[in-house]
Amino acid sequence: AQSVAQPEDQVNVAEGNPLTVKCTYSVSGNPYLFWYVQYPNRGLQFLLKYITGDNLVKGSYGFEAEFNKSQTSFHLKKPSALVSDSALYFCAVRSYSGGYQKVTFGTGTKLQVIP
Amino acid sequence: KAGVTQTPRYLIKTRGQQVTLSCSPISGHRSVSWYQQTPGQGLQFLFEYFSETQRNKGNFPGRFSGRQFSNSRSEMNVSTLELGDSALYLCASSANTGFQETQYFGPGTRLLVL
Repeated sequence: AQSVAQPEDQVNVAEGNPLTVKCTYSVSGNPYLFWYVQYPNRGLQFLLKYITGDNLVKGSYGFEAEFNKSQTSFHLKKPSALVSDSALYFCAVRSYSGGYQKVTFGTGTKLQVIP
Repeated sequence: KAGVTQTPRYLIKTRGQQVTLSCSPISGHRSVSWYQQTPGQGLQFLFEYFSETQRNKGNFPGRFSGRQFSNSRSEMNVSTLELGDSALYLCASSANTGFQETQYFGPGTRLLVL
């Protein structure tokens, strides 16, 4: 069965400090991994994705993520957090199962950047 | 380009009724996916339509159905509403179907079932 885990419900970080939001996954075959951000009362916004190639993926708003196959992880990172980064972050994995595309989201991590 | 639009933005229904939600994708996008977001179950994939055909389907009962028109606009229908159907329903569009495609989400329709 396919699954995504975001072990932290909330991450607090001081403005200007580096941030990491963790994501681990379990999937048969090659994973296609995504990060999305959701601001209050808004839909999801795409941040970045890993399909194949370089393990370090760069995305929108200065975010990046590192794909680690041995640890089955896809942690989201940013070198210097901004207060405006405070939001809900979702990791997702997509794969084929039984001829259909299967999409699984993590439970979300609330990022709070403290001024 | 205009983003993904969803109508209505808010909706209140009673148990047993049915509801139809609408999604207009970004111009030129041919794939539309629907998701349900609830505090308890989180984000769950409902189905995807591409070129008027359902291409992928999540694990939801048959009360949840959808369709896509020739202009790529999509509708989602929920029949015989239950209290548990109260949720934010998100629509996302992409240029084509497939894992590599980036999906762009609309603001969602918040459905409350009383």
